[in-house]
Amino acid sequence: SQQGEEDPQALSIQEGENATMNCSYKTSINNLQWYRQNSGRGLVHLILIRSNEREKHSGRLRVTLDTSKKSSSLLITASRAADTASYFCATDDTGTASKLTFGTGTRLQVTL
Amino acid sequence: EADIYQTPRYLVIGTGKKITLECSQTMGHDKMYWYQQDPGMELHLIHYSYGVNSTEKGDLSSESTVSRIRTEHFPLTLESARPSHTSQYLCASSSGGGTKNIQYFGAGTRLSVL
Repeated sequence: SQQGEEDPQALSIQEGENATMNCSYKTSINNLQWYRQNSGRGLVHLILIRSNEREKHSGRLRVTLDTSKKSSSLLITASRAADTASYFCATDDTGTASKLTFGTGTRLQVTL
Repeated sequence: EADIYQTPRYLVIGTGKKITLECSQTMGHDKMYWYQQDPGMELHLIHYSYGVNSTEKGDLSSESTVSRIRTEHFPLTLESARPSHTSQYLCASSSGGGTKNIQYFGAGTRLSVL
């Protein structure tokens, strides 16, 4: 069954703007991760946030987690053309040790 | 770049052929995974392994099979390929559960069955 729903499905912005993507999930989680996928390639891990954390930063990335609403957001600040990719959230659900459930993904296009 | 390799990168074959998709990692990870992903869509877990001689079916039913005879190697086999098997197959590995369950992905195999 679908765990993660992401919105928007697609996002187009200009270089220098901020990009925000949202992820909603259905079950209790241990942690939530965000991954990036360039076209036709494998996924690359970006950031992990534990269920007892509310916000985490890594470079130009900022992730928030609201377990009461079962939602997370990924903010990319000062976007660059090289940020063009698909972004997926993935949840590590309690009771399903070591398996991740991936969301539907947001396709981000950053134009010059 | 993660030390996990998939071959071939692209494969075009006819219906009924037997194929094996290779996946190898040099990180010593116990846990390995196979996902199926259609273009622009989410990943679906089809097989996983928590160590040598351990294999489990994932959330998405698949006609493929896997084996884990060595820690570093996790091949996926289709005995008789069909057009419905056309998809991208991604292999991943991780060192553990919880906060250690950061998964490292190969570049994928794009399979087309004619």
